[in-house]
Amino acid sequence: AQTVTQSQPEMSVQEAETVTLSCTYDTSENNYYLFWYKQPPSRQMILVIRQEAYKQQNATENRFSVNFQKAAKSFSLKISDSQLGDTAMYFCAFMQRNTDKLIFGTGTRLQVFP
Amino acid sequence: EPEVTQTPSHQVTQMGQEVILRCVPISNHLYFYWYRQILGQKVEFLVSFYNNEISEKSEIFDDQFSVERPDGSNFTLKIRSTKLEDSAMYFCASSAPTSGSDPNYNEQFFGPGTRLTVL
Repeated sequence: AQTVTQSQPEMSVQEAETVTLSCTYDTSENNYYLFWYKQPPSRQMILVIRQEAYKQQNATENRFSVNFQKAAKSFSLKISDSQLGDTAMYFCAFMQRNTDKLIFGTGTRLQVFP
Repeated sequence: EPEVTQTPSHQVTQMGQEVILRCVPISNHLYFYWYRQILGQKVEFLVSFYNNEISEKSEIFDDQFSVERPDGSNFTLKIRSTKLEDSAMYFCASSAPTSGSDPNYNEQFFGPGTRLTVL
């Protein structure tokens, strides 16, 4: 069975600084997707970034980038130039290709301080 | 921008009672999902639904749970006889048939959740 582990329950960062959130996963599958979702306080989860396992190049979306290490089964999220609006719960998630079932980690609560 | 909506935002019920959680998916979406998150734990997949039938369900989704798309716009989750351990945040999600250039991937859009408290 696939599992996703986020070992940092809480993180904090000062505005304009860079922060990295960690995620590891376990699977015997070769074709899958990895995601980072953001859940602001009292708001719905939104997709931040997605990585296809078959792609070696790390995904980037503006200030958000990932460090995907397939052999190590590691998928960290780097947020550059942190903004107050980045304060949220961040969930790492896994999806096997050709399925719709997302498997989530326990989340990391990120606080951005002015 | 279209969003998934859920009602109510908070539901309190007595153990043994039936509850129905409601979701309005994004209008052109065809795939629907329920997830739940017990306080302090992971978000867990419950069920996926397509073409008026369940396409996948987890071991959590036992006979006490059912889903329905009663009128072409709503997507409901019913718990027949609630237990204390059903207390959780329940998230609905929906997705369109394809997303971007990858036909194997459907981005799921989530609602804000319904907090269910079973007393």
